Amino acid sequence: QSVLTQPPSVSAAPGQKVTISCSGSSSNIGNNYVSWYQQLPGTAPKLLIYENNKRPSGIPDRFSGSKSGTSATLGISGLQTGDEADYYCGTWDRSLSGPVFGGGTKLTVL
Amino acid sequence: EVQLLESGGGLVQPGGSLRLSCAASGFTFSMYAMIWVRQAPGKGLEWVSAISGSGGRTYYADSVKGRFTMSRDNSKNTLYVQMNSLRAEDTAIYYCAKDPRGQLESFDYWGQGTLVTVSS
Repeated sequence: QSVLTQPPSVSAAPGQKVTISCSGSSSNIGNNYVSWYQQLPGTAPKLLIYENNKRPSGIPDRFSGSKSGTSATLGISGLQTGDEADYYCGTWDRSLSGPVFGGGTKLTVL
Repeated sequence: EVQLLESGGGLVQPGGSLRLSCAASGFTFSMYAMIWVRQAPGKGLEWVSAISGSGGRTYYADSVKGRFTMSRDNSKNTLYVQMNSLRAEDTAIYYCAKDPRGQLESFDYWGQGTLVTVSS
């Protein structure tokens, strides 16, 4: 059971927008920055969003992040088949004294 | 270009030991905290351990505390994790990753991973 809760799967058609939620507590999301990672099949995770809503160089603006209270959301617009992947949220947890990740959400682009 | 290259994975019997390495290049290694994250087959990401840039501070997940020891050799730009008393549930791909801001909140570069299989 992951400390951060994500939906197991989401799906949408090409060109549409999808959001992925990440729910935590005051011990983690409520008082720390949230990051998001994309893991394409058979590859290592890749940082998509850091500090709630910032994109590293090279990440297209189709990817966006937001945080409110103890929840965070990843948005992906203009969906492409190449976006099919597992997506993970992450942050620091004060109670566990370590980083924590969500259980992951599998995105299917229909 | 930042590169992280893990090595040392393999098949080990329950109760055995293994040392993983992560060779870093393309950045000033000693300036950055680093972590190990693992992913069991078909499962999500689990943080294993973290170490400060100097190596003076280490942090461990409860699941590995007392069994795993993380270290670094800044002169060799290499990260290590010594894994003892291995269990079947330690079977996973182990990734090393770089922490750009020292807050253990986000990790900007990841290695390709090395597979550890604990089985008799």
